[in-house]
Amino acid sequence: NAGVTQTPKFQVLKTGQSMTLQCAQDMNHEYMSWYRQDPGMGLRLIHYSVGAGITDQGEVPNGYNVSRSTTEDFPLRLLSAAPSQTSVYFCASSYQTGMPEAFFGQGTRLTVV
Amino acid sequence: KQEVTQIPAALSVPEGENLVLNCSFTDSAIYNLQWFRQDPGKGLTSLLLIQSSQREQTSGRLNASLDKSSGRSTLYIAASQPGDSATYLCAVNAAGNKLTFGGGTRVLVKP
Repeated sequence: NAGVTQTPKFQVLKTGQSMTLQCAQDMNHEYMSWYRQDPGMGLRLIHYSVGAGITDQGEVPNGYNVSRSTTEDFPLRLLSAAPSQTSVYFCASSYQTGMPEAFFGQGTRLTVV
Repeated sequence: KQEVTQIPAALSVPEGENLVLNCSFTDSAIYNLQWFRQDPGKGLTSLLLIQSSQREQTSGRLNASLDKSSGRSTLYIAASQPGDSATYLCAVNAAGNKLTFGGGTRVLVKP
């Protein structure tokens, strides 16, 4: 049981480049989300999705784009990378109702130079 | 806006001592609260989930309590071991599964 899988684990980008962080889960969870973790700021919600075809903004959505074409996948796109987007990114998934225990991926460490 | 605070930010104890980690939140209208463990450079591992209707949850040496009215949760780790050294995060689910995290407590258990 793989749980939540994120790729890549590490990435270095130049300012202005674009890239996609991949996230996949095999638990048939309706809810998926992206967080960024920064020193002194904790984890903050970027975007989330309650099911295929439905996405919404979290606390810090600027500079990021998401889509949800399948239940399993929830990619995060950086449109034009900036040094302020240097962070560790985590993808999470959970059931939408009942006991929505959140499960997290191992993270992607992104550096923008 | 929900705010979550964890005090202390860091804690160092000798092996065998019980650990007490605190989490406070400003809005008591929560759906559930979850405790996580994070090792350096790693992801978050779920430890315990407490629903808003529950007072506590237990798993092995771990026990988490929830007092919604006072906006507090406490994670107890009995008989600490060096392997318990990690950062512990609490997260509040107020609505729609959107989690609000505390800043974490970094724990060091010395042999």
